[in-house]
Amino acid sequence: IAGITQAPTSQILAAGRRMTLRCTQDMRHNAMYWYRQDLGLGLRLIHYSNTAGTTGKGEVPDGYSVSRANTDDFPLTLASAVPSQTSVYFCASSDSTGGDNEQFFGPGTRLTVL
Amino acid sequence: GQNIDQPTEMTATEGAIVQINCTYQTSGFNGLFWYQQHAGEAPTFLSYNVLDGLEEKGRFSSFLSRSKGYSYLLLKELQMKDSASYLCAVRDGNYQLIWGAGTKLIIKP
Repeated sequence: IAGITQAPTSQILAAGRRMTLRCTQDMRHNAMYWYRQDLGLGLRLIHYSNTAGTTGKGEVPDGYSVSRANTDDFPLTLASAVPSQTSVYFCASSDSTGGDNEQFFGPGTRLTVL
Repeated sequence: GQNIDQPTEMTATEGAIVQINCTYQTSGFNGLFWYQQHAGEAPTFLSYNVLDGLEEKGRFSSFLSRSKGYSYLLLKELQMKDSASYLCAVRDGNYQLIWGAGTKLIIKP
């Protein structure tokens, strides 16, 4: 089934630990995104990639890094987790960044940093 | 700064009609999206508007006025399964989506 997957589904992490959230899509979409969603706030863009080999910073990039080595995968790394990074993280993809191209979302990763 | 405003919560009755408003102030405009998000799930696409006017898709319609920075999502013949959060998002001049905090819609029998 075509779509976008994320792993893990949920994670409890000690502060200071390094963590990589995985995201894979099989729709051959060019653009991919990482968002965090916190109660009472809209989705906030962390990092994005318009095409394989390129990445860009979103609204809240500090403490996070990404890579886009190929079309399908877009991992998000927290180098040294802090409690303020407790959130639900969504990966999304779209065929392109313009027109009526909607973003398709993965099921999310619920991360708790203690 | 960029801003998307939506009501935090709305309540409606099964079978009725509800209108969820969204106002925006962004640096540039390249389209407006509405998404539905059930509790604990991912957002899913509902509609896209880039020109002024009404777009109808079954029980759901979305309206846009670019001059007023305003959109609404109209849901007709409400069903219990429509209980969800509805997210308004604007694609800005840099082709990034700016998201509202969402409107939680509660449907009562």
